[in-house]
Amino acid sequence: DGGITQSPKYLFRKEGQNVTLSCEQNLNHDAMYWYRQDPGQGLRLIYYSQIVNDFQKGDIAEGYSVSREKKESFPLTVTSAQKNPTAFYLCASNQVSYGYTFGSGTRLTVV
Amino acid sequence: GQQLNQSPQSMFIQEGEDVSMNCTSSSIFNTWLWYKQDPGEGPVLLIALYKAGELTSNGRLTAQFGITRKDSFLNISASIPSDVGIYFCAGQGLSGTYKYIFGTGTRLKVLA
Repeated sequence: DGGITQSPKYLFRKEGQNVTLSCEQNLNHDAMYWYRQDPGQGLRLIYYSQIVNDFQKGDIAEGYSVSREKKESFPLTVTSAQKNPTAFYLCASNQVSYGYTFGSGTRLTVV
Repeated sequence: GQQLNQSPQSMFIQEGEDVSMNCTSSSIFNTWLWYKQDPGEGPVLLIALYKAGELTSNGRLTAQFGITRKDSFLNISASIPSDVGIYFCAGQGLSGTYKYIFGTGTRLKVLA
């Protein structure tokens, strides 16, 4: 079955640590996205990529980094520079002019 | 960044009632999408609209692409407890592009 997989489902980070969230898709979609969702809030775009080895900053890129070395994979690193990283992170992918397919999310908590 | 305005922000309704929500933009869109997000999960696509005036149904859900191309509407008939969640609209202004702009969400709670 084609889909988009995020892992882990839950992640705990200590202050000052970098952590990497995984996102893999087998839909052969060109574009991939990372969104952040805070409790009771909407979706805020962190980074997106429309082609391998290229990506663009979204609205809240500070404190985050990404890579797109393979079409199927778009990992997100939450760096120690992100001062308030506790949130629900969603990955999505799509083809041109088509709607997004979302993963099931990773809940990151700072401990 | 730009976000679409959704209304209402949240609503409590009784089971069996009909629900209406809308999404408005200051610019014209060529595509409107409606998603539902269950608690702790990713959003799932409910309905896609591609033409001004288009009316599309998916079970108890009906969505319309506004004639002005600056708004869209979602109706849920005879609501049930599993309708609870956040409903997002999303719009795309240019055909042949990838990125969508998302609405702020409507939080629906159904009282049994």
